[in-house]
Amino acid sequence: EPEVTQTPSHQVTQMGQEVILRCVPISNHLYFYWYRQILGQKVEFLVSFYNNEISEKSEIFDDQFSVERPDGSNFTLKIRSTKLEDSAMYFCASSDGTNINTIYFGEGSWLTVV
Amino acid sequence: AQSVTQLGSHVSVSEGALVLLRCNYSSSVPPYLFWYVQYPNQGLQLLLKYTSAATLVKGINGFEAEFKKSETSFHLTKPSAHMSDAAEYFCAVRDNAGNMLTFGGGTRLMVKP
Repeated sequence: EPEVTQTPSHQVTQMGQEVILRCVPISNHLYFYWYRQILGQKVEFLVSFYNNEISEKSEIFDDQFSVERPDGSNFTLKIRSTKLEDSAMYFCASSDGTNINTIYFGEGSWLTVV
Repeated sequence: AQSVTQLGSHVSVSEGALVLLRCNYSSSVPPYLFWYVQYPNQGLQLLLKYTSAATLVKGINGFEAEFKKSETSFHLTKPSAHMSDAAEYFCAVRDNAGNMLTFGGGTRLMVKP
């Protein structure tokens, strides 16, 4: 079964450093998403991306965050200057254009900011 | 604004017993509802979804859920728990307006031998 893959699985970074989390969505999918889960808290929506632009974003997704689809396969989340409170599991997800209700998630990238 | 409440952050059942994981939602419009499962060290896997067709929805691994509009509930059940069902279960809602899923806090299911 096709799957969403994410790299790295774990990353430790120093406060103030830039981080890029990478995702390869399922190949024929058109909608891409980032969610995050701070330890012990709910899974929270960050951003959705369609047709090479952000279609929806939450209040969490401020100017420190950006997303990009640099080529035909990767979808990245960049955090410009990490803060301690950015420590979380970040999930990438994708869905196709005919059935956006079936959203497939990756295994997540654990980010620890120290 | 939508919200999802999962009653019970931890549920423990014996192997072979009924599994009941509760989910209540609030939404101003008829929602789309989902249950996801997260096994240890894995991502979120879709168990089942309600998208305004049949109110009783069957999913993978013997799970099912019933949409009850009058109770604003979408509880997840399985007649007989298996050890391999031990995982964290998340209920989520999406309305017609956008693509965003709003998740509940999750319920960790433990299955005792």
